[in-house]
Amino acid sequence: DTAVSQTPKYLVTQMGNDKSIKCEQNLGHDTMYWYKQDSKKFLKIMFSYNNKELIINETVPNRFSPKSPDKAHLNLHINSLELGDSAVYFCASSPTGTGNNEQFFGPGTRLTVL
Amino acid sequence: EDQVTQSPEALRLQEGESSSLNCSYTVSGLRGLFWYRQDPGKGPEFLFTLYSAGEEKEKERLKATLTKKESFLHITAPKPEDSATYLCAVQSHNFNKFYFGSGTKLNVKP
Repeated sequence: DTAVSQTPKYLVTQMGNDKSIKCEQNLGHDTMYWYKQDSKKFLKIMFSYNNKELIINETVPNRFSPKSPDKAHLNLHINSLELGDSAVYFCASSPTGTGNNEQFFGPGTRLTVL
Repeated sequence: EDQVTQSPEALRLQEGESSSLNCSYTVSGLRGLFWYRQDPGKGPEFLFTLYSAGEEKEKERLKATLTKKESFLHITAPKPEDSATYLCAVQSHNFNKFYFGSGTKLNVKP
């Protein structure tokens, strides 16, 4: 009965590879997000989708491509991985239109690029 | 530019020693201010939402307050299990855009 789940939890890969991280929420929320947390614990928003539509696309290299097949899923594909992509990536979801916009986070995916 | 600054970066307390964490923000139209707790190796866990200056919320030993420029998270008589990183975030009127601070790492010694 996990609310927001991510797979995999750990991802170790070589520079130049392509990898994907999957996210699913069973909370019935309309909005989903991807965040990057660097070594200083700073969480920075990357993308936000509302009901499968991209609404926030921060200054992120176009090697990063989110995909939302339905409003319960938001996947993140990363092409040509670089050393600087090493971080923890968090997926989150929130209800919208209710005035109560707290986000619920997944457990994170620790990506290590060698 | 919208931003959130948290202080101190780290705080060590003895069990039972009350203190406060600070979150200062500048945002072009505040929709809400959020406090989260993050344990090592886990995702942030929602604690409180505050919407307007003067608002206060309480949960067990935690109390969050909000002014027009900052928020405080007061911890009364903390216990070792309160040890975690506490994150503050603001949501701007640029709908769905959230800005997080870098957190305060709290360590409560028994």
